[in-house]
Amino acid sequence: AQSVTQLDSQVPVFEEAPVELRCNYSSSVSVYLFWYVQYPNQGLQLLLKYLSGSTLVKGINGFEAEFNKSQTSFHLRKPSVHISDTAEYFCAVSEAIQGAQKLVFGQGTRLTINP
Amino acid sequence: DTGVSQDPRHKITKRGQNVTFRCDPISEHNRLYWYRQTLGQGPEFLTYFQNEAQLEKSRLLSDRFSAERPKGSFSTLEIQRTEQGDSAMYLCASSPEGTSPEQFFGPGTRLTVL
Repeated sequence: AQSVTQLDSQVPVFEEAPVELRCNYSSSVSVYLFWYVQYPNQGLQLLLKYLSGSTLVKGINGFEAEFNKSQTSFHLRKPSVHISDTAEYFCAVSEAIQGAQKLVFGQGTRLTINP
Repeated sequence: DTGVSQDPRHKITKRGQNVTFRCDPISEHNRLYWYRQTLGQGPEFLTYFQNEAQLEKSRLLSDRFSAERPKGSFSTLEIQRTEQGDSAMYLCASSPEGTSPEQFFGPGTRLTVL
C-alpha cells in the first residue's frame, strides 16, 4: 500500500518570502502525484499534478513542484507567498483500485503567512 | 456552478442517531468516491462507485456505514447508530471515465456527533 509523509505539520513564513512544503511517498513504481489546497471549512482544490513527462510541474496561484523519482519526493514551492496562501496543503499519491485510482493523502501542512 | 455538490454542509446529531449525506457529482463523471477527514488529518478513502456499482470499500467502512448510487448519478452515505468517533468531514469526489486519475472534490459535509 502507498503512503505519503509530509515532513512539516506547520510552516510559518513572512509575506513575499519563498516557501517549500516537503512531501515524500513510499512507492518505487510509477505513480501519479498531486498537491491539493484546503481553505477553512471547504473541500479540496487541486493545485497541480504529476502524471508523466517533465519533472517540474507548474500549477495554479504561482505554485510549482518537482518530481524526484530517486528520492521519492514531490516538494511544493512558491517563490513569493501572499497572505491569501494561508491554508492547509495536502500531498497525495494515487493507488490502483478496481477500474480506477484512489488517492492516499499525507497528514497535511498548515501554511501560515505573517505580514 | 457545475462542480461537485454535497448536502448538508453541516450536520449535528446525537450519539445513536442515523444520518444520511448526499453527493451530486459533476454530471458527466461516472466515477464517484467518498473520503473521510478527521481533525488534523488528511482525507482517507472510504468507498468508490463506477456508475451504480460499488467496486471498492475500505476497511474503515464499518457495518454501520452504507453507501449507494442507485441510478449512477447522485450518491448517499448513511451512518447508522452514530458514535462520537464518527465526527469528521465527509468528502465526495468524482472523476470521468478514462485514464486520468484526477479527482474533483465537493465542499464536504461536516458531521458532529454529540
